[in-house]
Amino acid sequence: EIVMTQSPATLSVSPGERATLSCRASQSVSSNLAWYQQKPGQAPRLLIYGASTRATGIPARFSGSGSGTEFTLTISSLQSEDFAVYYCQQYNNWPTTFGPGTKVDIK
Amino acid sequence: QVQLVQSGAEVKKPGASVKVSCKASGYTFTSYGISWVRQAPGQGLEWMGWISAYNGNTNYAQKLQGRVTMTTDTSTSTAYMELRSLRSDDTAVYYCASHKYSSGFLFDYWGQGTLVTVSS
Repeated sequence: EIVMTQSPATLSVSPGERATLSCRASQSVSSNLAWYQQKPGQAPRLLIYGASTRATGIPARFSGSGSGTEFTLTISSLQSEDFAVYYCQQYNNWPTTFGPGTKVDIK
Repeated sequence: QVQLVQSGAEVKKPGASVKVSCKASGYTFTSYGISWVRQAPGQGLEWMGWISAYNGNTNYAQKLQGRVTMTTDTSTSTAYMELRSLRSDDTAVYYCASHKYSSGFLFDYWGQGTLVTVSS
């Protein structure tokens, strides 16, 4: 199965600053990469699919890039509601697998 | 609007079974697959398997083969996940999530989660 890794494990950012999260796949997943946001006590929410397409209702400050094995999620200007854990997921190969997550917290 | 509403928290003893339900509304139930994803306390997300609500075909994660069964009741638009021979490391929040057949395992809607605690 494809192993997903994410870095950093924790990212401390001040409100209004830019956050850059990385995700790497152990083999190519083409552009079949999604990002989810999860807040404490809540289910994950789909942010990005196809590596770079925002899901319905997701603000433009969230953007995704990459293909193959290297991917990035960028939050251009962090708002208070963006402090959460972010997971990447590959859905190119069976079984689908998730990364361990990056926690974005307040600096 | 699309909603997936799951059954309530469960406490089970080791060796027992648990069955979690996921009632869908706001869309044509048979048009989407339903996956189950679990999350142990403080841990990441683990895909457990999926069921086609259209024809009932299932596909399970290898590590759970033989212990998990996923079913649907199309008359009530409800999906079920049963896990048997529970162990302490099955303690987790269990989520159902829907996905279009055409987009693979891309989870656009999630249930609220069901906490299953396995403890003697």
